Amino acid sequence: AQSVTQLDSHVSVSEGTPVLLRCNYSSSYSPSLFWYVQHPNKGLQLLLKYTSAATLVKGINGFEAEFKKSETSFHLTKPSAHMSDAAEYFCVVSESTGFQKLVFGTGTRLLVSP
Amino acid sequence: DAMVIQNPRYQVTQFGKPVTLSCSQTLNHNVMYWYQQKSSQAPKLLFHYYDKDFNNEADTPDNFQSRRPNTSFCFLDIRSPGLGDAAMYLCATSHQNQVLAKNIQYFGAGTRLSVL
Repeated sequence: AQSVTQLDSHVSVSEGTPVLLRCNYSSSYSPSLFWYVQHPNKGLQLLLKYTSAATLVKGINGFEAEFKKSETSFHLTKPSAHMSDAAEYFCVVSESTGFQKLVFGTGTRLLVSP
Repeated sequence: DAMVIQNPRYQVTQFGKPVTLSCSQTLNHNVMYWYQQKSSQAPKLLFHYYDKDFNNEADTPDNFQSRRPNTSFCFLDIRSPGLGDAAMYLCATSHQNQVLAKNIQYFGAGTRLSVL
């Protein structure tokens, strides 16, 4: 069975500094991996997805993630944080065979200070 | 331009009083999902419809039911809400096909349910 571990429940950065949100996954098959963002009282918005093409995936709002099979990681990065990036981020894994059920990590809350 | 629309955004009900949350989509996707998200937790899948086929998660309480009268609409019925059912309820859609199973789920903005 697949699972996702988000290593940090909270990450605090200053505006303009780099962002790193860590995610490790476990999957029996070739996984699809996603990062979703959720702003307060809002639904989830897809940031980016990995589906076995390029290992470096670029998403919206300047975010990117690198799939590293040897490390079973899919960390999310951004070179320079913006105040509007403050939100909850979920790393999500899905099996690529059969019906695509999403398995969510527990989330990382990103705090951005001026 | 909202593609997955949930109404209402906020719903207040009384303990034990049935409540229905609605979801509509303009994407013509064949799969619709309902998730429950409690405060500071990850979303938890309750059930999904693949076309007209209903698929319940094993640990979803019987108190939760769903209807999908057509492709565009899906409803979540809570027959007798308890205080523990207060949560954000998220609807999502995706298009599942046999060739490409790597499909994105698109989420609505959610309905926050309060139970008094």
